[in-house]
This record gives sequence, C-alpha cells and structure tokens, in this order.
Amino acid sequence: DTGVSQNPRHKITKRGQNVTFRCDPISEHNRLYWYRQTLGQGPEFLTYFQNEAQLEKSRLLSDRFSAERPKGSFSTLEIQRTEQGDSAMYLCASSFYKGANEQFFGPGTRLTVL
Amino acid sequence: AQKVTQAQTEISVVEKEDVTLDCVYETRDTTYYLFWYKQPPSGELVFLIRRNSFDEQNEISGRYSWNFQKSTSSFNFTITASQVVDSAVYFCALYNTDKLIFGTGTRLQVFP
Repeated sequence: DTGVSQNPRHKITKRGQNVTFRCDPISEHNRLYWYRQTLGQGPEFLTYFQNEAQLEKSRLLSDRFSAERPKGSFSTLEIQRTEQGDSAMYLCASSFYKGANEQFFGPGTRLTVL
Repeated sequence: AQKVTQAQTEISVVEKEDVTLDCVYETRDTTYYLFWYKQPPSGELVFLIRRNSFDEQNEISGRYSWNFQKSTSSFNFTITASQVVDSAVYFCALYNTDKLIFGTGTRLQVFP
C-alpha cells in the first residue's frame, strides 16, 4: 500500500501524559500536513511542512504541541501534558507541491484523553 | 475572511434518488481552488474533485456532478441515482495559502 499511513490508529491516555503520533507520507510527496478533527466538525489545519521545513503553524497549535519532519520524510506530532480538550482525530495528509494539488489523507489517529 | 459553509447537516434519501449537497464559500482572493472530499465510516478522507476559480464549467464524473457558480459563491455537488455505498460525510473545502479550510460537512445516509 503506497498511501499515507499513520500510527497508532488509536491512543488512549491519561490527562497530563505525553503522546506522540507518526505519519508516513506518500514517498514522492514533499508537503506534509497535520489537521485535527473533532466530532461533527470538518478537519482544522494545524501545521505543514515542505520537505523538512515547517512553514506554518495554526494558532490552534499551543506550546504543548510540537511537530517535526526530520530529513523531509516521516513526521511526528507530539502533545505534551495532554488535556481532555485534546481528544480528537489527528489527520495527516501529503501532497506534491505544484499549486493547489489535492492532499491525500491518512486514516488518522484517534486520541482519547481520560 | 476565508470560510466554507455547508448548511445541510444531514440528508437522508432512499436508494436511486438524486441528492444535492450545498457548499457556499467566502474568499477575497481572485484565484482560488475548491475541493470536495468524502469521509466514509472508515474515517479516511477521499479526494473527489478540485476546481479552480477560472473554470466555471460544470463537471460530471459518472453519477457525480458539480455545479460551480462564482456569482453565488457556490460549489454544489449532486449524486444521481444514489446508492447505499454513497453513505458518508461529504466535505467541501477552500484552498487558501497552502492549506485547506473545510466546511462542517454534510452527512448523507442512503437507505435501501
């Protein structure tokens, strides 16, 4: 399967714990995006990378959130000191940058903070 | 402000009915792109179509068709002869400064 993959698919954690999610984009794609989706809402942009450079971060991304894309391949999203409000589906997408190319989404990581 | 509005929260139809999902957008840009994605119960967003602001021709792909009208800032999606497999949440999105701005989605339920 050459699509976008995300791990883990589900994560349950206790409030205050740190969690890390991984995204593996489609191999030839140089752009990688993170979105968050809560129940009944559309995905909301969090951040994106072009190769290894993080080009934009949303105001939704508090200081507790950090994302990396070392070597421009896979990406990790870490949430420190999780709060119940962090419970959501975290979606990763990738695209080949050539104007507004379609973004291909992974299956998401569902985070539940107890 | 950049915004996408999908006023229909949920639509239920019986198989073989035609159904139209509405999308209204707001942007100050003269060049922009609009997208539709499908999110089936499995959760993974599936790309359906991309349309740029210079192309107002309607598009048809099998049972799917899209009506883009700049005058009303709308980009509506019609499924002809709906099938149970069309049951999903459908999102309209506006591409703005390298990211997608999504509407809240319309849940379509097609009953046999």
